[in-house]
Amino acid sequence: AQKVTQAQTEISVVEKEDVTLDCVYETRDTTYYLFWYKQPPSGELVFLIRRNSFDEQNEISGRYSWNFQKSTSSFNFTITASQVVDSAVYFCALSEDSSGSARQLTFGSGTQLTVLP
Amino acid sequence: EAGVAQSPRYKIIEKRQSVAFWCNPISGHATLYWYQQILGQGPKLLIQFQNNGVVDDSQLPKDRFSAERLKGVDSTLKIQPAKLEDSAVYLCASSPSSGRGKTQYFGPGTRLLVL
Repeated sequence: AQKVTQAQTEISVVEKEDVTLDCVYETRDTTYYLFWYKQPPSGELVFLIRRNSFDEQNEISGRYSWNFQKSTSSFNFTITASQVVDSAVYFCALSEDSSGSARQLTFGSGTQLTVLP
Repeated sequence: EAGVAQSPRYKIIEKRQSVAFWCNPISGHATLYWYQQILGQGPKLLIQFQNNGVVDDSQLPKDRFSAERLKGVDSTLKIQPAKLEDSAVYLCASSPSSGRGKTQYFGPGTRLLVL
């Protein structure tokens, strides 16, 4: 069975600090996909990134970067120079792909990030 | 491109009443999902449709929850009768197809409070 663990329930930083959100996953599949979503107070889940299990290259998008390490089953998310608008709940999610069809997303419990001015 | 639409945004009902939620996916998206998100938790899949057929409803409490997707586009999720523990946000998502690792795009959700 697949599982996603986000051990950090809440993180509070001061604006312009860097912050890393941790995500550890469990799966028996060799093909799977990892996602990060942002959920601002409005409630809508906003897609940030998708990685497949065969692509371990780190990715950078503006102030966001992601570190995928299969050896430790981790997919961590770093925000550089955080801003108040980054305050939200961030979810890591996993989708297995053993049958070649899209499988349900299994979400972690989320990390509430608060960026203080 | 318009995103996933959901209505209503908020609903307050008393226990044992019935309620229905509506979802309109992104145009052309064949796969539609309903998730339940209880406060402080990540979303949990209730049901997945591929066009108008059910792909996975293993986590749908079928004694009180039902869902349909007529004509493979819009979908409705119904709860009858509601219980206090059904208080949650109900999220609808869609993806282009049931292919490998397709990204799911979410609507704004319906916040349900059962009193």
